[in-house]
Amino acid sequence: EADIYQTPRYLVIGTGKKITLECSQTMGHDKMYWYQQDPGMELHLIHYSYGVNSTEKGDLSSESTVSRIRTEHFPLTLESARPSHTSQYLCASKRALNTEAFFGQGTRLTVV
Amino acid sequence: GNSVTQMEGPVTLSEEAFLTINCTYTATGYPSLFWYVQYPGEGLQLLLKATKADDKGSNKGFEATYRKETTSFHLEKGSVQVSDSAVYFCALSDSTGGTSYGKLTFGQGTILTVHP
Repeated sequence: EADIYQTPRYLVIGTGKKITLECSQTMGHDKMYWYQQDPGMELHLIHYSYGVNSTEKGDLSSESTVSRIRTEHFPLTLESARPSHTSQYLCASKRALNTEAFFGQGTRLTVV
Repeated sequence: GNSVTQMEGPVTLSEEAFLTINCTYTATGYPSLFWYVQYPGEGLQLLLKATKADDKGSNKGFEATYRKETTSFHLEKGSVQVSDSAVYFCALSDSTGGTSYGKLTFGQGTILTVHP
């Protein structure tokens, strides 16, 4: 059973609002990732982190930002939500470079 | 760069039918390979994995063999059940560090529907 949690599971929010998607893991993993999943199911890496105070942009450009102040916590923030941000956001962590990643249950964000 | 290609879906089968979902990859170095499953409204769950050539991953009746010579990792199950209906993703993780830093590269996903 993976110990990685995302909140909220579902969020409907108005355009222009600031939101933070939470992701926490209790496995002590250094490496954490945020993926955006579009309606066609494809997964796009938008942010990753190798450890505390380390964050990098992923393959898909995103207006969101992330922080990594504690090992277990990797929140994603949108300063001003837009309808184009409507998507499912998946957080993941892994122990080492070539090991499997564990995923949270996802946050389905709808911006109206 | 790394890439993963899965067979196009959706795949529709009757219960107890044989399943194959093809997956091929391109990668530098020696990647680890994975199959993930996603049930409706959920995140991804690891189904099976293989970390080196000729390894066979297996779980819940599903199997896949890491074939370096054909750069493939096809998923198979001898007899599918209705409960196997889900989206299946093939993925690789580059172990060489550098700019990849262990991030997963996913295929586009294959929707499987199994009818009674």
